[in-house]
Amino acid sequence: KNQVEQSPQSLIILEGKNCTLQCNYTVSPFSNLRWYKQDTGRGPVSLTIMTFSENTKSNGRYTATLDADTKQSSLHITASQLSDSASYICVVRAMDTGRRALTFGSGTRLQVQP
Amino acid sequence: DAGITQSPRYKITETGRQVTLMCHQTWSHSYMFWYRQDLGHGLRLIYYSAAADITDKGEVPDGYVVSRSKTENFPLTLESATRSQTSVYFCASSEVRHATNEKLFFGSGTQLSVL
Repeated sequence: KNQVEQSPQSLIILEGKNCTLQCNYTVSPFSNLRWYKQDTGRGPVSLTIMTFSENTKSNGRYTATLDADTKQSSLHITASQLSDSASYICVVRAMDTGRRALTFGSGTRLQVQP
Repeated sequence: DAGITQSPRYKITETGRQVTLMCHQTWSHSYMFWYRQDLGHGLRLIYYSAAADITDKGEVPDGYVVSRSKTENFPLTLESATRSQTSVYFCASSEVRHATNEKLFFGSGTQLSVL
């Protein structure tokens, strides 16, 4: 069964600090991996997408890495801001020509404190 | 630019009642999706639609009905609500040019409580 595991479940950091969120997956065959940010009371918004051949992708202060061999991804947030407080969801797509083949992680809840 | 809107934002209903959640998108995206989000679980796909009058089941379709008579609307109906359907429901859309780069655009969700 395809699975996506995220760690930690929750994290509290001080404003200005860096942090790294982890995502391990067992989805096969792999197509791509995406990180979403979900603010409280809102729908998820896409941050980055990475295919098999990419191992790093940045979006401003967000940098995602992918190791397709070990089936791990991380999301690094640099110089955190209060607005980074949100849940971060890792989503993996399998190669599937039919049904929408996405597996969602349960997310990491990040709280940035002043 | 309204994007994708869901209504109502909050809904409380009783067991056994029929409930319809609305979803409207202004982008003319081909694909639309319904997900539910429960604590401790990732989003789970209920139903999706590839175009008007084309729908298909997702991972957890039991107890739900969808229709898509127009490209921009994709309502989700709970025919006889149960407490296990208490959840936050998200509608999403995408315009798939290449499936590997598909990006989902989500609405703000409907928080449904079944008493």
